[in-house]
Amino acid sequence: AQKITQTQPGMFVQEKEAVTLDCTYDTSDQSYGLFWYKQPSSGEMIFLIYQGSYDEQNATEGRYSLNFQKARKSANLVISASQLGDSAMYFCAMRGPTGANSKLTFGKGITLSVRP
Amino acid sequence: NAGVTQTPKFQVLKTGQSMTLQCAQDMNHEYMSWYRQDPGMGLRLIHYSVGAGITDQGEVPNGYNVSRSTTEDFPLRLLSAAPSQTSVYFCASSYLGVRYTEAFFGQGTRLTVV
Repeated sequence: AQKITQTQPGMFVQEKEAVTLDCTYDTSDQSYGLFWYKQPSSGEMIFLIYQGSYDEQNATEGRYSLNFQKARKSANLVISASQLGDSAMYFCAMRGPTGANSKLTFGKGITLSVRP
Repeated sequence: NAGVTQTPKFQVLKTGQSMTLQCAQDMNHEYMSWYRQDPGMGLRLIHYSVGAGITDQGEVPNGYNVSRSTTEDFPLRLLSAAPSQTSVYFCASSYLGVRYTEAFFGQGTRLTVV
């Protein structure tokens, strides 16, 4: 079975600073995908970034980067130059290739507040 | 391109009533799923499907029923609503596999059972 753990309490960051949101995972699959989503107060789910287990380089998408440490089973999201619009709930998720592990499993989420 | 269309957006039910939440996608995704979101609990998987005619239970399936007769549609049925089913429900779809298979979400349904 696969599991995602997000244990940070609500996070606060000053505008224009960088922030790291933690995510650890557990799976028996060798091949898997890791995803981060943002949920603003309006409620929609917005896909941010993807990392494959066999990707040698950390994924980056604009101000978002994923600090992938396979041996430690962690996939932390780094947001650089925080903006007020980054205030939201952030979810880490993963899926495996086949069978029951092909389902997308989410963590409990982390609330990020950006201070002006 | 509509993406994932989920209806209704809001619903109030009385205890014991039944209803169906509709979900349709036009991206030819094999995978479709239903989640419920409750404060502090993240998104919990109710049921999912990896193709037409194939469904399976997720983490919290009790009280819900699904079927998948076509690739496009994946309705969620509440058989006899209970106050514990008050939640926000999301439908999501994606391709299968692990390479760039991010899920696309519907707008969500805020359901209140009184």
